[in-house]
Amino acid sequence: KAGVTQTPRYLIKTRGQQVTLSCSPISGHRSVSWYQQTPGQGLQFLFEYFSETQRNKGNFPGRFSGRQFSNSRSEMNVSTLELGDSALYLCASSSMLRQGKDYGYTFGSGTRLTVV
Amino acid sequence: DQQVKQNSPSLSVQEGRISILNCDYTNSMFDYFLWYKKYPAEGPTFLISISSIKDKNEDGRFTVFLNKSAKHLSLHIVPSQPGDSAVYFCAASADFNKFYFGSGTKLNVKP
Repeated sequence: KAGVTQTPRYLIKTRGQQVTLSCSPISGHRSVSWYQQTPGQGLQFLFEYFSETQRNKGNFPGRFSGRQFSNSRSEMNVSTLELGDSALYLCASSSMLRQGKDYGYTFGSGTRLTVV
Repeated sequence: DQQVKQNSPSLSVQEGRISILNCDYTNSMFDYFLWYKKYPAEGPTFLISISSIKDKNEDGRFTVFLNKSAKHLSLHIVPSQPGDSAVYFCAASADFNKFYFGSGTKLNVKP
């Protein structure tokens, strides 16, 4: 089955601009989560969407937002970009709540955002 | 506030030996833990999980140990192979799909 698809893979933006990243989850997965990865900081949770509703939110400023569509595809938007927003943005999908010993997210390959 | 910590940024082991990666957490409400492996330019890949009702879970060469009283998690890889060289992240959750990740440990397995 197809994995989690994130587009674009690479993006260069200028400070002050806004950006939209896209994530298509595995078919049948209704939960989509977004993470920011920066060097030395690991993965920081941004938010999770389930059935078009934001179910969980991390500690990021309001410039970071997201949404989920009826087909479970998700987008995240960052407005008024800052240099510190340069990072790898990862999307992960999961089928439902925890189930079985193999529970875990499936991650996409990420979008590398560079803000100049 | 880093609720999940991996205090060793890197680890180097010889092929065939055991690799032990450690993870500490502070939130006693965490009840589900995951380990992921990440290669450069790829997303993390799920390795193994453990729930707080267990203290050990095995899957092939990978075993995860959970010590709830110490709030400590470890991943053992036996025997280590050069293909295991990657960055390993531990993650913990108390709330469905919201996970807290450590900063990662870069494992280098030398042939």
